[in-house]
Amino acid sequence: DVKVTQSSRYLVKRTGEKVFLECVQDMDHENMFWYRQDPGLGLRLIYFSYDVKMKEKGDIPEGYSVSREKKERFSLILESASTNQTSMYLCAIKGQDTQYFGPGTRLTVL
Amino acid sequence: GENVEQHPSTLSVQEGDSAVIKCTYSDSASNYFPWYKQELGKGPQLIIDIRSNVGEKKDQRIAVTLNKTAKHFSLHITETQPEDSAVYFCAASETGTASKLTFGTGTRLQVTL
Repeated sequence: DVKVTQSSRYLVKRTGEKVFLECVQDMDHENMFWYRQDPGLGLRLIYFSYDVKMKEKGDIPEGYSVSREKKERFSLILESASTNQTSMYLCAIKGQDTQYFGPGTRLTVL
Repeated sequence: GENVEQHPSTLSVQEGDSAVIKCTYSDSASNYFPWYKQELGKGPQLIIDIRSNVGEKKDQRIAVTLNKTAKHFSLHITETQPEDSAVYFCAASETGTASKLTFGTGTRLQVTL
């Protein structure tokens, strides 16, 4: 079974804090993705990575950055958290064509 | 880029009835169409997918149909059960290493007793 783990299920941060969301996979897949999920908007792609040290912007990269130093780990960074970044964050890995998701991190920025 | 529209946004059916969720896509190059189910507090889980070389695919009570000419695809759930209550997402992409999924906005299905 594909396993994608995210470091926290729930996170509460203050405006202006630097926030790290971690995603780890155990399947040796090259492709990893970060999405945010908001009611009525579906899943929107923030960043993705095809390989170690490679990253590509998705549809809504503003306010976010990513890091992929090792193949199994893909980190999403909020440089200075804002209240409009309160959301559910989902990490995914890609098999041949299918994406497999982690359980999500619900981030609240106060 | 690809644009995927999904309807309805909410759907309520009685247990045992059928449920149908419809999606349209814009990019004729898309040839892979997965459906995901997301239960409360969990990440989306793949439930079925279809590729453009087939028009229909079934897996027990779930079926997906694809009309490439009209650029629409649908999820059909028969004999619905309370455990089918969840949010369902459709998505579309080209196949290949560099492909990205574009998701619909989701349908909240409620199966009532």
